[in-house]
Amino acid sequence: AQSVTQLGSHVSVSEGALVLLRCNYSSSVPPYLFWYVQYPNQGLQLLLKYTTGATLVKGINGFEAEFKKSETSFHLTKPSAHMSDAAEYFCAVSVSNAGGTSYGKLTFGQGTILTVHP
Amino acid sequence: GAGVSQSPSNKVTEKGKDVELRCDPISGHTALYWYRQSLGQGLEFLIYFQGNSAPDKSGLPSDRFSAERTGGSVSTLTIQRTQQEDSAVYLCASSLAITAKNIQYFGAGTRLSVL
Repeated sequence: AQSVTQLGSHVSVSEGALVLLRCNYSSSVPPYLFWYVQYPNQGLQLLLKYTTGATLVKGINGFEAEFKKSETSFHLTKPSAHMSDAAEYFCAVSVSNAGGTSYGKLTFGQGTILTVHP
Repeated sequence: GAGVSQSPSNKVTEKGKDVELRCDPISGHTALYWYRQSLGQGLEFLIYFQGNSAPDKSGLPSDRFSAERTGGSVSTLTIQRTQQEDSAVYLCASSLAITAKNIQYFGAGTRLSVL
C-alpha cells in the first residue's frame, strides 16, 4: 500500500520569501504524484502533477515540484510567496495496481497549512 | 455546470438520523469518488464509481454508509443512524476516466455536523 508524509503541519513565510513544502511518499510501484491546494470552505484544486517524463513539474500560480525517486520525495516550491498563497496544501499519490489497471484512488498526506506574513 | 457540485453545503443533524449527501459530477466524467475530510483522520478515500458501478466498497467506514450513482451522473452518499464521529466534510470528485494519472476535480464539499 502507498502512503504520503508531509513534513510540517504548519509553515510560515514572509511575503516574497521562498516557499518549500515537503512531501515524501512510499510506494512499491511507480507512483503518480499530485499537489492540491485548498482555500477555506472550498474544495481541492490541482496545482500540479507528475506522471512520467520530466521530473521537474511546473504548475499554476508559479509553483513547481521535483520528483526525486532516490529520495522518494516530491517537494513543492515557489520562489516568492504572495499573500494569496495562504492556504492548506495536500500531497497525494495514486498508483496502478499489479494488473495494470487502476481506479485512481488518491492517498493524501496530512496537509500543510501555509501562512504568509506581510 | 462547469464544476463538481455538492449539496447541501452544510448539514446539521441529530444523532441517529439519516442523511443524504448529493454530488453532481462534471458532465461526461465517468469516474466519481467520495472522500471524507476530518480533523482526526485527514482526507480518507471512501468509495469510487465507474459509471454506475461501485466495485470496491471496502473504504466505507461502516455498514451505515452506502452510496449509489444513477444514469452515470448524480451520486448520493447516505449515512444511516448518524453518529457524532460521522461529523466531517464529505468531498466528491470526478474524473474523465478510472485511471491512476487522471486529474480528479473536487467539489466544495458538504460539511456534516452531528449533534
